[in-house]
Amino acid sequence: KAGVTQTPRYLIKTRGQQVTLSCSPISGHRSVSWYQQTPGQGLQFLFEYFSETQRNKGNFPGRFSGRQFSNSRSEMNVSTLELGDSALYLCASSLGLADEETQYFGPGTRLLVL
Amino acid sequence: GESVGLHLPTLSVQEGDNSIINCAYSNSASDYFIWYKQESGKGPQFIIDIRSNMDKRQGQRVTVLLNKTVKHLSLQIAATQPGDSAVYFCAENALSGGYNKLIFGAGTRLAVHP
Repeated sequence: KAGVTQTPRYLIKTRGQQVTLSCSPISGHRSVSWYQQTPGQGLQFLFEYFSETQRNKGNFPGRFSGRQFSNSRSEMNVSTLELGDSALYLCASSLGLADEETQYFGPGTRLLVL
Repeated sequence: GESVGLHLPTLSVQEGDNSIINCAYSNSASDYFIWYKQESGKGPQFIIDIRSNMDKRQGQRVTVLLNKTVKHLSLQIAATQPGDSAVYFCAENALSGGYNKLIFGAGTRLAVHP
């Protein structure tokens, strides 16, 4: 079974721009979660989608948004980029049917904001 | 969030020795815990999990211990190998607000020397 895939793997943007990142979950997984990883703040939860609905949200500003499609693929968008948004953005997928499920991570998209 | 990256606590061990990585979690209501391994340039990789109704779980060369009284997790790696060199994260599933919201610890860098 293929793992979680994320595109693009690397991205360079400038302040004020917006960016869209994509995540394809493991086949059969309906939950997709997004995390931001930075040296200063570690791994932080952004949001989780299940059946095209946002089910859970972390403490990030409204510039960070996401969506999920009927095939469970998910995108996250960051608008009006700031230097501090430079990070590794990880998505993880799971079945989404219980709260005790293993989440499997993709390789991440490394975003650099100049 | 916690600091990850350049200022991670580091555990240095000799190849063949046993390694113990410790983690304190924050929410006494958390009932599911996971250890992840992250190698450079990759996303976190699932190692082992444990539910709160257990205090020990064993996998292949790895054992996780859970002490709910003091909110402490440990990961034991037997006969540590150079391929075990990575950053190790513990994560707890925060139940407030719904499913699949992992709260990650700061991480520990494991360096295995031949």
